Amino acid sequence: KNEVEQSPQNLTAQEGEFITINCSYSVGISALHWLQQHPGGGIVSLFMLSSGKKKHGRLIATINIQEKHSSLHITASHPRDSAVYICAVLHYGGSQGNLIFGKGTKLSVKP
Amino acid sequence: GAVVSQHPSWVICKSGTSVKIECRSLDFQATTMFWYRQFPKQSLMLMATSNEGSKATYEQGVEKDKFLINHASLTLSTLTVTSAHPEDSSFYICSAEGTGTDTQYFGPGTRLTVL
Repeated sequence: KNEVEQSPQNLTAQEGEFITINCSYSVGISALHWLQQHPGGGIVSLFMLSSGKKKHGRLIATINIQEKHSSLHITASHPRDSAVYICAVLHYGGSQGNLIFGKGTKLSVKP
Repeated sequence: GAVVSQHPSWVICKSGTSVKIECRSLDFQATTMFWYRQFPKQSLMLMATSNEGSKATYEQGVEKDKFLINHASLTLSTLTVTSAHPEDSSFYICSAEGTGTDTQYFGPGTRLTVL
């Protein structure tokens, strides 16, 4: 079993829909990242969370440390949100900087 | 916010040549930089951890003589793929950790294609 699991693996939505991507992890962590990777490969850091909730524009990220679960929400989705969204956890006790990555969720937003 | 750049963003080279990729923290000092590799349809994998002024720490299975890492300053780390082969074709991504923090900022990545 992977230490970081994302669901769904693939997601197709219509423009305007509310989208949720989930991330569950099985290790103790000190932080969790949400990353966005566009078709060309470029990575953009969206959020780093250690507790609670963060919001940036139409993106909201939440984390529940007790349940070892995080969600990324996109409100009023748009075709330009189409990308792979990757959850990564910073495992405390692991080697420095050793992020454990989920396999990503491929999101396609249709106009 | 903190910005990390990579250069080049893409490179095509012939088999047997060496390729250098730069990772720069533009508006902050980074004691530690990390190099990741991503093969098609796979997740990112940590290759090595680079600390300014000291030798890089390589993950198991990563050849240190093939992937030379230099972190000569607090804002620059370089990854040199020596004697590149087609199987080295991949997407290489760096991240930088701000001095005194555990926040990592990711570079946009470099796509390497070896012919």
